[in-house]
Amino acid sequence: GESVGLHLPTLSVQEGDNSIINCAYSNSASDYFIWYKQESGKGPQFIIDIRSNMDKRQGQRVTVLLNKTVKHLSLQIAATQPGDSAVYFCAEIYSGTYKYIFGTGTRLKVLA
Amino acid sequence: NAGVMQNPRHLVRRRGQEARLRCSPMKGHSHVYWYRQLPEEGLKFMVYLQKENIIDESGMPKERFSAEFPKEGPSILRIQQVVRGDSAAYFCASSPTESGTVNTGELFFGEGSRLTVL
Repeated sequence: GESVGLHLPTLSVQEGDNSIINCAYSNSASDYFIWYKQESGKGPQFIIDIRSNMDKRQGQRVTVLLNKTVKHLSLQIAATQPGDSAVYFCAEIYSGTYKYIFGTGTRLKVLA
Repeated sequence: NAGVMQNPRHLVRRRGQEARLRCSPMKGHSHVYWYRQLPEEGLKFMVYLQKENIIDESGMPKERFSAEFPKEGPSILRIQQVVRGDSAAYFCASSPTESGTVNTGELFFGEGSRLTVL
């Protein structure tokens, strides 16, 4: 369903460490997933996507893992940098529909 | 290629006034979504429009809120008789097809319009 009105969970990591942000999605029929990054005062920006016929996809410093069995999505950021500090949202969609469903988001704080 | 353009970026209204938020989608995009975001919360779907058609407004309050996407010009989200609870960031997103592009399917977001109701 829609994201609920909860305060954002926060993940704090040391600069240079790897970050793992998790997301549980709601619809087992969803076949396309996106991770977005939202910096303070800005709109969400696309980071990486994955289709349900894959279980892993890599980008530059980021990797998305999809576990359809437990409806779980994760975003791994290698060598986390201060510029990675933001709120990260996962989004799911079933390609037969138009409605993107966003997760509640996780705030990533990078400690110097 | 300009991205999704929203204006105004910041809008202050007194209770009872009207707020109009505008969104110009990316060039070639004919599908527009409006989302609302409260501080420290996620994105809540409000409405999905195609040119001249409202496809799904299930996330929009039945009263005081309306949206349009005319054949010419930007999409407009209109809030009449604003109340303090309407204070939020309103994001517009566009896509070229019903469920995104053939290749990526992503939604492209604007920078948002931040409404403050005094």
